[in-house]
Amino acid sequence: QVQLVESGGGLVKPGGSLRLSCTASGFIFGDYYMSWVRQVPGKGLEWVSYISSTLTITRYYADSVKGRFTISRDNAMNSLYLQMDSLRAEDTAVYYCARLRGGEWFDPWGQGTLVTVSS
Amino acid sequence: EIVLTQSPDFQSVTPKEKVTITCRASQSIGSSLHWYQQKPDQSPKLLIKYASQSFSGVPSRFSGSGSGTYFTLTINSLEAEDAATYYCQQSSSLPFTFGQGTKLEIK
Repeated sequence: QVQLVESGGGLVKPGGSLRLSCTASGFIFGDYYMSWVRQVPGKGLEWVSYISSTLTITRYYADSVKGRFTISRDNAMNSLYLQMDSLRAEDTAVYYCARLRGGEWFDPWGQGTLVTVSS
Repeated sequence: EIVLTQSPDFQSVTPKEKVTITCRASQSIGSSLHWYQQKPDQSPKLLIKYASQSFSGVPSRFSGSGSGTYFTLTINSLEAEDAATYYCQQSSSLPFTFGQGTKLEIK
């Protein structure tokens, strides 16, 4: 079945870096746009970034992470990544990997990985 | 940025009741509005896409309607398993945005 599994979360100090990974299975990964969405525990959902599926890769970011986060993918490895630099306390959240269908709606979502930015 | 405002924020309901959650957009978004359900300690799941199209495998008691700036998610004959937080999301323009969520408690 279609599955997304995130990894790489953890505790990091402010100003530090972390790289999240998302491994996909059950579908042709390279055919789909992919995205990251985050959720502060107990709070709502915030879209972070998405990456296109085409040879000419396009990337979009929320203003809150632009210039600090980089989304990338490796279709041969069925993997999506999020490089997070210059992390701030307000980046603390569960980060979900999600397949972006039609470039508009998210399905499915992974189980999430928690990133905690604290000294 | 398009702001989505859901109401109510919280609702306590009894089984078999009919529930309607509304989502208002700060500007017209056509039908580019999608609904998700998030149960405690789980990731969100898609219920409705493009305002009114039910997603595969979603129980028929869930339905959506609306266009422009006003949308509704209706749950007919609520079941105990529907206890969750519901979110709307717009894809009319970047950044994608979500409503603040509506938490349903089953009495």
